[in-house]
Amino acid sequence: SQQGEEDPQALSIQEGENATMNCSYKTSINNLQWYRQNSGRGLVHLILIRSNEREKHSGRLRVTLDTSKKSSSLLITASRAADTASYFCVTLPKAAGNKLTFGGGTRVLVKP
Amino acid sequence: GAGVSQSPRYKVAKRGQDVALRCDPISGHVSLFWYQQALGQGPEFLTYFQNEAQLDKSGLPSDRFFAERPEGSVSTLKIQRTQQEDSAVYLCASSLMGMTGQETQYFGPGTRLLVL
Repeated sequence: SQQGEEDPQALSIQEGENATMNCSYKTSINNLQWYRQNSGRGLVHLILIRSNEREKHSGRLRVTLDTSKKSSSLLITASRAADTASYFCVTLPKAAGNKLTFGGGTRVLVKP
Repeated sequence: GAGVSQSPRYKVAKRGQDVALRCDPISGHVSLFWYQQALGQGPEFLTYFQNEAQLDKSGLPSDRFFAERPEGSVSTLKIQRTQQEDSAVYLCASSLMGMTGQETQYFGPGTRLLVL
Protein backbone atom coordinates (compact mmCIF):
# COMPACT_ATOMS: atom_id res chain seq x y z
CA SER A 1 0.00 0.00 0.00
CA GLN A 2 1.14 3.55 -0.59
CA GLN A 3 1.40 5.98 2.25
CA GLY A 4 1.61 9.28 0.44
CA GLU A 5 -1.35 10.66 -1.44
CA GLU A 6 -0.69 13.45 -3.90
CA ASP A 7 -3.19 16.10 -4.81
CA PRO A 8 -4.08 16.85 -7.54
CA GLN A 9 -3.62 13.64 -9.48
CA ALA A 10 -3.12 15.65 -12.66
CA LEU A 11 -2.24 19.26 -13.41
CA SER A 12 -2.06 21.14 -16.70
CA ILE A 13 -0.46 24.59 -16.85
CA GLN A 14 1.07 27.01 -19.33
CA GLU A 15 4.81 27.48 -19.54
CA GLY A 16 5.92 30.21 -17.15
CA GLU A 17 3.17 29.53 -14.61
CA ASN A 18 3.80 28.04 -11.18
CA ALA A 19 2.76 24.50 -10.33
CA THR A 20 1.81 23.45 -6.83
CA MET A 21 1.13 19.93 -5.67
CA ASN A 22 0.42 18.58 -2.23
CA CYS A 23 1.07 15.35 -0.43
CA SER A 24 -0.47 13.85 2.69
CA TYR A 25 0.92 10.90 4.57
CA LYS A 26 -0.16 8.74 7.47
CA THR A 27 2.68 7.74 9.79
CA SER A 28 5.58 9.50 11.47
CA ILE A 29 8.51 9.98 9.14
CA ASN A 30 12.26 10.54 9.23
CA ASN A 31 12.24 12.50 6.02
CA LEU A 32 10.19 13.24 2.95
CA GLN A 33 11.51 13.37 -0.58
CA TRP A 34 10.15 14.41 -3.95
CA TYR A 35 11.05 12.51 -7.09
CA ARG A 36 10.28 13.24 -10.73
CA GLN A 37 9.69 10.62 -13.39
CA ASN A 38 9.53 11.14 -17.13
CA SER A 39 10.16 8.91 -20.08
CA GLY A 40 13.43 10.61 -20.93
CA ARG A 41 15.30 10.49 -17.63
CA GLY A 42 13.43 7.93 -15.59
CA LEU A 43 12.99 8.45 -11.86
CA VAL A 44 15.14 11.26 -10.47
CA HIS A 45 15.53 12.57 -6.92
CA LEU A 46 14.64 16.26 -6.60
CA ILE A 47 14.83 17.27 -2.99
CA LEU A 48 14.84 15.85 0.55
CA ILE A 49 13.39 17.58 3.59
CA ARG A 50 13.99 16.24 7.07
CA SER A 51 11.29 15.95 9.68
CA ASN A 52 12.76 18.84 11.69
CA GLU A 53 12.76 21.19 8.69
CA ARG A 54 9.81 23.27 7.55
CA GLU A 55 10.90 24.61 4.18
CA LYS A 56 13.60 23.95 1.66
CA HIS A 57 14.57 25.45 -1.68
CA SER A 58 16.47 24.06 -4.63
CA GLY A 59 16.60 26.17 -7.77
CA ARG A 60 13.01 26.65 -8.95
CA LEU A 61 11.71 24.14 -6.41
CA ARG A 62 10.28 24.98 -3.00
CA VAL A 63 9.19 22.27 -0.60
CA THR A 64 7.32 22.71 2.65
CA LEU A 65 6.68 20.18 5.36
CA ASP A 66 4.09 20.33 8.13
CA THR A 67 4.55 17.31 10.38
CA SER A 68 1.61 18.29 12.58
CA LYS A 69 -0.69 17.99 9.57
CA LYS A 70 1.36 15.20 7.98
CA SER A 71 1.51 17.10 4.72
CA SER A 72 3.99 18.53 2.27
CA SER A 73 3.84 20.71 -0.79
CA LEU A 74 6.06 21.08 -3.84
CA LEU A 75 6.07 24.34 -5.76
CA ILE A 76 7.72 24.62 -9.16
CA THR A 77 8.14 28.24 -10.18
CA ALA A 78 8.33 29.56 -13.75
CA SER A 79 7.57 26.14 -15.19
CA ARG A 80 9.11 24.91 -18.43
CA ALA A 81 7.97 22.31 -20.94
CA ALA A 82 10.80 20.11 -19.66
CA ASP A 83 9.08 20.02 -16.25
CA THR A 84 6.38 17.82 -17.78
CA ALA A 85 6.57 14.65 -15.71
CA SER A 86 5.01 12.72 -12.85
CA TYR A 87 6.01 13.97 -9.41
CA PHE A 88 6.07 11.59 -6.47
CA CYS A 89 6.00 12.32 -2.78
CA VAL A 90 8.19 9.73 -1.07
CA THR A 91 8.30 9.17 2.65
CA LEU A 92 10.67 7.27 4.86
CA PRO A 93 8.49 6.11 7.76
CA LYS A 94 10.28 5.89 11.09
CA ALA A 95 9.62 2.19 11.42
CA ALA A 96 10.58 1.35 7.86
CA GLY A 97 14.36 1.29 7.89
CA ASN A 98 15.39 2.11 4.34
CA LYS A 99 12.05 1.33 2.74
CA LEU A 100 10.94 4.37 0.75
CA THR A 101 7.18 4.64 0.32
CA PHE A 102 5.93 6.33 -2.84
CA GLY A 103 2.62 8.08 -3.35
CA GLY A 104 0.56 7.67 -6.50
CA GLY A 105 2.04 10.75 -8.13
CA THR A 106 0.86 13.99 -9.70
CA ARG A 107 1.03 14.06 -13.48
CA VAL A 108 2.06 17.56 -14.58
CA LEU A 109 1.72 18.78 -18.15
CA VAL A 110 3.41 22.07 -19.01
CA LYS A 111 2.14 23.40 -22.30
CA PRO A 112 4.48 25.57 -24.37
CA GLY B 1 29.78 8.62 -14.89
CA ALA B 2 27.74 5.45 -15.32
CA GLY B 3 24.44 5.31 -13.56
CA VAL B 4 22.33 2.32 -12.63
CA SER B 5 21.70 0.07 -15.60
CA GLN B 6 19.09 -2.61 -16.03
CA SER B 7 18.57 -5.33 -18.59
CA PRO B 8 16.60 -6.22 -20.51
CA ARG B 9 14.72 -2.95 -20.95
CA TYR B 10 11.67 -4.82 -22.23
CA LYS B 11 10.62 -8.40 -21.68
CA VAL B 12 7.58 -10.23 -23.00
CA ALA B 13 6.87 -13.56 -21.35
CA LYS B 14 4.19 -16.14 -21.75
CA ARG B 15 2.26 -16.93 -18.60
CA GLY B 16 4.09 -19.63 -16.70
CA GLN B 17 7.56 -18.76 -17.96
CA ASP B 18 10.40 -17.83 -15.63
CA VAL B 19 12.13 -14.48 -16.12
CA ALA B 20 15.35 -12.97 -14.78
CA LEU B 21 15.90 -9.24 -14.56
CA ARG B 22 19.36 -7.82 -14.05
CA CYS B 23 20.51 -4.69 -12.25
CA ASP B 24 24.00 -3.16 -12.34
CA PRO B 25 24.21 -0.57 -9.55
CA ILE B 26 26.55 2.38 -9.46
CA SER B 27 30.03 1.10 -8.71
CA GLY B 28 30.79 1.19 -5.00
CA HIS B 29 27.20 1.59 -3.88
CA VAL B 30 26.52 -0.58 -0.87
CA SER B 31 22.73 -0.56 -0.93
CA LEU B 32 20.51 -1.90 -3.68
CA PHE B 33 16.73 -1.79 -3.89
CA TRP B 34 14.09 -3.35 -6.16
CA TYR B 35 10.71 -1.74 -6.77
CA GLN B 36 7.65 -2.73 -8.78
CA GLN B 37 5.67 -0.02 -10.58
CA ALA B 38 2.24 -0.81 -12.00
CA LEU B 39 0.85 1.35 -14.77
CA GLY B 40 -0.26 4.73 -13.46
CA GLN B 41 0.97 4.03 -9.93
CA GLY B 42 3.99 4.92 -7.87
CA PRO B 43 6.77 2.40 -7.35
CA GLU B 44 6.31 -0.11 -4.52
CA PHE B 45 9.20 -1.50 -2.53
CA LEU B 46 10.09 -5.15 -3.11
CA THR B 47 13.41 -5.86 -1.44
CA TYR B 48 16.67 -4.34 -0.17
CA PHE B 49 20.28 -5.51 -0.09
CA GLN B 50 23.21 -4.18 1.82
CA ASN B 51 26.21 -5.64 0.04
CA GLU B 52 25.29 -9.29 -0.51
CA ALA B 53 22.92 -9.48 2.44
CA GLN B 54 19.21 -9.29 1.73
CA LEU B 55 18.06 -7.30 4.75
CA ASP B 56 14.43 -6.77 3.81
CA LYS B 57 12.28 -8.80 1.45
CA SER B 58 8.95 -7.87 2.93
CA GLY B 59 7.67 -6.35 -0.30
CA LEU B 60 8.04 -9.45 -2.45
CA PRO B 61 4.46 -10.30 -3.44
CA SER B 62 4.81 -14.07 -3.41
CA ASP B 63 7.30 -16.91 -3.15
CA ARG B 64 7.54 -16.84 -6.95
CA PHE B 65 9.72 -13.74 -6.56
CA PHE B 66 13.34 -14.21 -5.64
CA ALA B 67 16.23 -11.74 -5.59
CA GLU B 68 19.93 -12.23 -5.11
CA ARG B 69 23.14 -10.21 -5.04
CA PRO B 70 25.77 -12.89 -4.50
CA GLU B 71 28.89 -10.73 -4.76
CA GLY B 72 27.45 -7.52 -3.44
CA SER B 73 27.33 -5.82 -6.82
CA VAL B 74 25.06 -7.03 -9.63
CA SER B 75 21.62 -8.17 -8.58
CA THR B 76 19.08 -10.40 -10.27
CA LEU B 77 15.35 -10.43 -9.66
CA LYS B 78 13.82 -13.72 -10.72
CA ILE B 79 10.13 -14.34 -11.18
CA GLN B 80 9.05 -17.94 -11.51
CA ARG B 81 5.87 -19.10 -13.26
CA THR B 82 4.95 -15.57 -14.30
CA GLN B 83 1.33 -14.46 -14.06
CA GLN B 84 -0.43 -11.63 -15.87
CA GLU B 85 -0.55 -9.59 -12.66
CA ASP B 86 3.26 -9.56 -12.66
CA SER B 87 3.16 -7.19 -15.65
CA ALA B 88 4.80 -3.98 -14.47
CA VAL B 89 7.98 -1.95 -14.64
CA TYR B 90 10.64 -3.29 -12.30
CA LEU B 91 12.97 -0.56 -11.05
CA CYS B 92 16.32 -1.00 -9.42
CA ALA B 93 17.98 1.68 -7.31
CA SER B 94 21.25 1.99 -5.46
CA SER B 95 22.63 4.27 -2.81
CA LEU B 96 26.11 4.79 -1.46
CA MET B 97 25.51 3.53 2.06
CA GLY B 98 21.83 3.61 2.89
CA MET B 99 22.38 3.05 6.56
CA THR B 100 20.18 5.88 7.74
CA GLY B 101 17.78 6.21 4.86
CA GLN B 102 18.86 9.80 4.48
CA GLU B 103 20.59 9.22 1.20
CA THR B 104 19.47 9.72 -2.34
CA GLN B 105 18.58 6.57 -4.20
CA TYR B 106 19.64 6.51 -7.85
CA PHE B 107 17.23 4.67 -10.10
CA GLY B 108 17.81 2.68 -13.24
CA PRO B 109 15.62 2.99 -16.34
CA GLY B 110 13.60 -0.07 -15.37
CA THR B 111 12.60 -3.29 -17.08
CA ARG B 112 9.10 -3.28 -18.52
CA LEU B 113 7.69 -6.79 -18.16
CA LEU B 114 4.60 -7.86 -20.05
CA VAL B 115 3.14 -11.26 -19.29
CA LEU B 116 0.73 -12.57 -21.92
